[in-house]
Order: sequence, then structure tokens, then C-alpha cells
Amino acid sequence: DQQVKQNSPSLSVQEGRISILNCDYTNSMFDYFLWYKKYPAEGPTFLISISSIKDKNEDGRFTVFLNKSAKHLSLHIVPSQPGDSAVYFCAAVGYNTDKLIFGTGTRLQVFP
Amino acid sequence: DSGVTQTPKHLITATGQRVTLRCSPRSGDLSVYWYQQSLDQGLQFLIQYYNGEERAKGNILERFSAQQFPDLHSELNLSSLELGDSALYFCASSVLSGSLYNEQFFGPGTRLTVL
Repeated sequence: DQQVKQNSPSLSVQEGRISILNCDYTNSMFDYFLWYKKYPAEGPTFLISISSIKDKNEDGRFTVFLNKSAKHLSLHIVPSQPGDSAVYFCAAVGYNTDKLIFGTGTRLQVFP
Repeated sequence: DSGVTQTPKHLITATGQRVTLRCSPRSGDLSVYWYQQSLDQGLQFLIQYYNGEERAKGNILERFSAQQFPDLHSELNLSSLELGDSALYFCASSVLSGSLYNEQFFGPGTRLTVL
């Protein structure tokens, strides 16, 4: 049972435009959400996170939006840059636990 | 560089064999996590240790075991290997356990191929 889903396996965006990556979850007990970025031959790198009590968190070019009623979160990257090309994983954490529940990832390609 | 090291980088072995994957956490981190990433799958949580003690268990097979040593490094032991165990195995570490904003830092992974 996939509790965290990323339904788009890939996304292609032109440099300078907005990239929107989506994530859906099924467990309403998730307490905290994170986005990780992964380059080939490297481990995932933490990008940005959001607590379940917030609906938006911004860090530079990256903004995460959380819609609890829809059990949906999204990552916006503005403006997109070629260096953003990577696989992006959405992850969730339940209350009083540390284990990350990951989605299957979305491969983002930013082209010039 | 996350500060988490994993060895070996690649491992090729045969079915039925046993292997040990090693992880050294970031300096000062007490929690170590193991994740498995199979082909086209997200990362699946296997097990967590905190300061030498098992803290949480995920979908870890009985053929797999782990431990965290007094110097805080961790080993993941995989035995009676099957073809389906071929995957990337990631180790992550964090300072604390059970608190919000407990960011996990991932190592580069060990790619295991079972032939």
C-alpha cells in the first residue's frame, strides 16, 4: 500500500519557467512532509520541509504548499535552472516517529 | 558531501551468499537509518538505531539484520541473498530521534547486485 504517491514519473520544463512537482498521501496522521532531491550516484539531499500545521513554506526559489483537506502537497521551483535537473522525492513522517515514507520520485529535466 | 559514508560502493555477489554493508554517520549524529531502493521504487525504510538501540523497524526481512556499534557506526547484514535483494541501500543519520525538523542526511548508497 503506497501511502505517498508521486503520480508523474517525469517532468520537463524550460529554464526560467516554473516547475511544479506534485505529491499525494493517504495517511491523515502524517505530521511532517519533506522534499528530497537526488542526483545520479548520490544519496538524496534534503531540500525543504513543511509541518502539517502550515500550508506554505518558502526557501529561496523553492516553495512547498500543503493542502491537508486534499492530502496533497506540491513543490514549486521558480525560476527553474538546468542544475535543478534531478529526481525529486516527496516524503512524509508520522507523529512521534522518524521513519520517512517516500514516494517513488519524479524526474525533473530543465532544458535551456 | 553529507558527511555520511557508506562502504562498499558496489557489491556483486551470488544467490545464497551473505554480505555486510557499513555506514558511518555524520559526526555527532546518534540516529542511523537504513533504506532500500529497488528498481523504479521509492526508498523503503528498513530499520533505525538510536545510540546503539533499535528504535524502529520497517519492512525489513528476517534474513536481514542490523546493529549500531558503540562508536555509532552501523552495519546491515543481508543473508541468504535472493535476486530480488538487488537494490541500492542507503544509510542516513540524524542528530536526534522523535523530534520535528529532524533532518536526515543520506550517504551515497551501496549498490548490491545479486547474480
